[in-house]
Amino acid sequence: EAQVTQNPRYLITVTGKKLTVTCSQNMNHEYMSWYRQDPGLGLRQIYYSMNVEVTDKGDVPEGYKVSRKEKRNFPLILESPSPNQTSLYFCASSILAGGEDTQYFGPGTRLTVL
Amino acid sequence: GQNIDQPTEMTATEGAIVQINCTYQTSGFNGLFWYQQHAGEAPTFLSYNVLDGLEEKGRFSSFLSRSKGYSYLLLKELQMKDSASYLCAVRPTSGTYKYIFGTGTRLKVLA
Repeated sequence: EAQVTQNPRYLITVTGKKLTVTCSQNMNHEYMSWYRQDPGLGLRQIYYSMNVEVTDKGDVPEGYKVSRKEKRNFPLILESPSPNQTSLYFCASSILAGGEDTQYFGPGTRLTVL
Repeated sequence: GQNIDQPTEMTATEGAIVQINCTYQTSGFNGLFWYQQHAGEAPTFLSYNVLDGLEEKGRFSSFLSRSKGYSYLLLKELQMKDSASYLCAVRPTSGTYKYIFGTGTRLKVLA
């Protein structure tokens, strides 16, 4: 089954404790992206990647890191989480044709930073 | 700056037609997307417009006017399962793959 998976689905942590949210896709997509979704602010793009070892900043990259060492995986790293990073996070992937590049979203990770 | 505006909430009756508007102001334009998101779930793709005009997909249609920075999503023969948020997104620039999303329109379909 074609899918994007994220782990963990739920996480409660404390300020400053490094964490990684994993994202994996089995559709051989070149493009992957991370978003956060907050009430009243909608989906905001954090980072995206157009291929292995190619990443770029979205609109809200501060406090986050990403890496793309393999085509299927795109982990999101919070080196020192803070309460303002409490949010619902979505990973997405798509082909890269420049047209109707439908993004397929993972199920989401709900993160709470205390 | 870059901005996408959508109404926050709309209510409609089962079987009716509803139009959800989206206006955008971005530094460029390389496609507009509509996604549906049910509460507690991930967004799923509905439609894509890059040229002016209407794109129809079954009960759902999407319209684009690039000169006006305007799009709408038209939902016909509303069903209860259409109760969801509808997200408008723009890909501003050719050659990069940034996406700007609106805050979404929450649609309630009443029996």
